Amino acid sequence: DAKTTQPPSMDCAEGRAANLPCNHSTISGNEYVYWYRQIHSQGPQYIIHGLKNNETNEMASLIITEDRKSSTLILPHATLRDTAVYYCLRMTTDSWGKLQFGAGTQVVVTP
Amino acid sequence: DVKVTQSSRYLVKRTGEKVFLECVQDMDHENMFWYRQDPGLGLRLIYFSYDVKMKEKGDIPEGYSVSREKKERFSLILESASTNQTSMYLCASSFQDRAHQPQHFGDGTRLSIL
Repeated sequence: DAKTTQPPSMDCAEGRAANLPCNHSTISGNEYVYWYRQIHSQGPQYIIHGLKNNETNEMASLIITEDRKSSTLILPHATLRDTAVYYCLRMTTDSWGKLQFGAGTQVVVTP
Repeated sequence: DVKVTQSSRYLVKRTGEKVFLECVQDMDHENMFWYRQDPGLGLRLIYFSYDVKMKEKGDIPEGYSVSREKKERFSLILESASTNQTSMYLCASSFQDRAHQPQHFGDGTRLSIL
């Protein structure tokens, strides 16, 4: 039972914005959307999270649709070091011990 | 920046050995977690701890135990290593009393049991 749906792969040119979609059509009112990424042979890295408002930090922006059924992670100026698998998660404060990573999106940034 | 440090990046042990994996975090986080990550199976929670000397079983605790004697340190123990415990082991930590705080991960220990 996939809780989120992401495209399996995406290419992006260096210096361009990368827009990563995530579908979470069955999300409930108390579930946040979290994004992590995992660079090969490293541990997952937290990127950003949000509930219903758009969020921005030094790494990325998160755009959540008004009905909260989908979201988009935006890497504003992709670099080669952004090549990684990106995971979109749903999580409530009750489930803080159970991060469930799906297959994610393999993003390859090309020169 | 949050720092979660795992004692070894790569480890090779033999079947039947007792194996210790160590994790230290420097952000005064209350919660600490041990996961394993396997191709096609994603991330699976082994054990977690929300306080010193407290522990809770995750989804796959069999064959593992944990120890948390100090707030900053969380150890995973393979009591008698078996080949099916060959995996990438990931430690994570997070705040407990601040809502919606993310988990921060170490770089993992790639453990091979021969």
